[in-house]
Amino acid sequence: DAGITQSPRYKITETGRQVTLMCHQTWSHSYMFWYRQDLGHGLRLIYYSAAADITDKGEVPDGYVVSRSKTENFPLTLESATRSQTSVYFCASSTRDVGNQPQHFGDGTRLSIL
Amino acid sequence: DAKTTQPNSMESNEEEPVHLPCNHSTISGTDYIHWYRQLPSQGPEYVIHGLTSNVNNRMASLAIAEDRKSSTLILHRATLRDAAVYYCILRDVSAANSKLTFGKGITLSVRP
Repeated sequence: DAGITQSPRYKITETGRQVTLMCHQTWSHSYMFWYRQDLGHGLRLIYYSAAADITDKGEVPDGYVVSRSKTENFPLTLESATRSQTSVYFCASSTRDVGNQPQHFGDGTRLSIL
Repeated sequence: DAKTTQPNSMESNEEEPVHLPCNHSTISGTDYIHWYRQLPSQGPEYVIHGLTSNVNNRMASLAIAEDRKSSTLILHRATLRDAAVYYCILRDVSAANSKLTFGKGITLSVRP
């Protein structure tokens, strides 16, 4: 079954290191999203992308970088990881960015920064 | 997005139907009603959405009140795998709506 895959599922790294979280979808959806989920904050949008080479900031973009050279991939990079970026990260995709289209999520990456 | 109100938790017995309520008294005419769920240690999962008419899919049914101020997600036969947090959210179709905003949701427990 086609779907959305995130890797790695778990990652432990140290403060100051660069880390990249991968997201791959097989639906050919135009839109892709990165969220982080923390207790007390719910889901927060980090970045999203409308198509290859088109990205835009969400609510909490500071400290993160994204790229989208191919429709199916949307990697998220923490350039210099900080402890406050310890979180569960979810990637999602959607055919269009309108209110009657659902977003489909991956299983997440649990990132711990020591 | 308009606000939704859900009970904090509900319990159900396995193989029995479950009705999960959601109130959205300030819903606008262009708001779609969406339901997502999140199983432990997994990402949110889209369940169903609708505008005015009741909707059915392989996972669940969505019953929408005639005045659209409330809706009910119906799981016809609960299984242990249905134990999750269920989120009811409204999304306006008329504007770009990238962000999904989940409230606290309903925590559904299923008893064997």
